Amino acid sequence: AQSVTQLDSQVPVFEEAPVELRCNYSSSVSVYLFWYVQYPNQGLQLLLKYLSGSTLVKGINGFEAEFNKSQTSFHLRKPSVHISDTAEYFCAAYAGGTSYGKLTFGQGTILTVHP
Amino acid sequence: NAGVTQTPKFQVLKTGQSMTLQCAQDMNHEYMSWYRQDPGMGLRLIHYSVGAGITDQGEVPNGYNVSRSTTEDFPLRLLSAAPSQTSVYFCASSPQIEDTQYFGPGTRLTVL
Repeated sequence: AQSVTQLDSQVPVFEEAPVELRCNYSSSVSVYLFWYVQYPNQGLQLLLKYLSGSTLVKGINGFEAEFNKSQTSFHLRKPSVHISDTAEYFCAAYAGGTSYGKLTFGQGTILTVHP
Repeated sequence: NAGVTQTPKFQVLKTGQSMTLQCAQDMNHEYMSWYRQDPGMGLRLIHYSVGAGITDQGEVPNGYNVSRSTTEDFPLRLLSAAPSQTSVYFCASSPQIEDTQYFGPGTRLTVL
């Protein structure tokens, strides 16, 4: 079965500093990867996704992620964060095959941006 | 276009009671799913459906039932509520599982 591991449960950072949220997935022949964001007391919304093609994916709000097949990673980055980026971030993967129909989420990373 | 709607927003149950969490979408999406969110555990898939009349189990299906009689609706039934089912429940839909998932606002359930 597919598994997704987010390596940091909490990431504190100061405003305008860069940030990286780390995500590793279990290896698969082909995999679709996603990052979602959840603001307090809301549902999740998509930040970006990797389906195929370029390994550098750009999303909304200035976020980007790089698909690294050899390291089975899909880390999320932003060069300069804002207070409004404070939220919980989830990495997710779908591999099909024996996991048909099952999107797997990581445990989440709480990003807190301090002034 | 309301997107994905969930009712109720909050619910308190006593152990052993049953209830149905409602989920509806107006985007004609084939794929729908239910997740529960618990602190430090991310979202865990309860049940999913790839189209009307087709449902299957996810990672944590015990104690829950689903049905999909129409494309729009995907209710989640708790058969006999237990304190371990205290959680926030999210419904999501998408054209296909590989596509963007659209999430509802969630239902916060407490079982006493």
